[in-house]
Amino acid sequence: DTGVSQDPRHKITKRGQNVTFRCDPISEHNRLYWYRQTLGQGPEFLTYFQNEAQLEKSRLLSDRFSAERPKGSFSTLEIQRTEQGDSAMYLCASSLTGLGTEAFFGQGTRLTVV
Amino acid sequence: AQTVTQSQPEMSVQEAETVTLSCTYDTSENNYYLFWYKQPPSRQMILVIRQEAYKQQNATENRFSVNFQKAAKSFSLKISDSQLGDTAMYFCAFANTGNQFYFGTGTSLTVIP
Repeated sequence: DTGVSQDPRHKITKRGQNVTFRCDPISEHNRLYWYRQTLGQGPEFLTYFQNEAQLEKSRLLSDRFSAERPKGSFSTLEIQRTEQGDSAMYLCASSLTGLGTEAFFGQGTRLTVV
Repeated sequence: AQTVTQSQPEMSVQEAETVTLSCTYDTSENNYYLFWYKQPPSRQMILVIRQEAYKQQNATENRFSVNFQKAAKSFSLKISDSQLGDTAMYFCAFANTGNQFYFGTGTSLTVIP
């Protein structure tokens, strides 16, 4: 296992289009997190999963955003009707359950909405 | 609500010197963890060091150590013998009992040869 992988690494889309990102976590990790990071800011929490269950969603996550982890393995994050304000780096991380366990991050998907 | 504050947007240090990055946090929880993550340019974030709130002894990892002041809610990172490869963004993070992470805005560290 080579760590958390995200696909694609870069995505340029026109405003109003839908985009979908994929995250493959470390195989034995049951926790999976999605974060959004804009330039000069730290990662902002969007949502996380315990196995296939989505346990929490941030208020940042508007109705245009949806995330799934259908079999408790990989996850997808979809943004519908993209807006320029959605331009950001979308980070995925995974961890084991338990306080203090390290979150391992992917390299992110950089979204540019034009 | 948990908040993490990093008041130093940018810092620089001469190679081989020591630098300290500051972090404060706010929480009403009693049991939590604190982390420092490093994000090199165009690369993914990696863990530098972590500290459990119940442990009074400050964590150390080779050249990296923390100064954890629980009462003051302060968690600074000291990097000794700075190396060029330490150039990166450094994020302080808080994890609550649900292992939900909250990050600061980061400090951009440049090591000058």
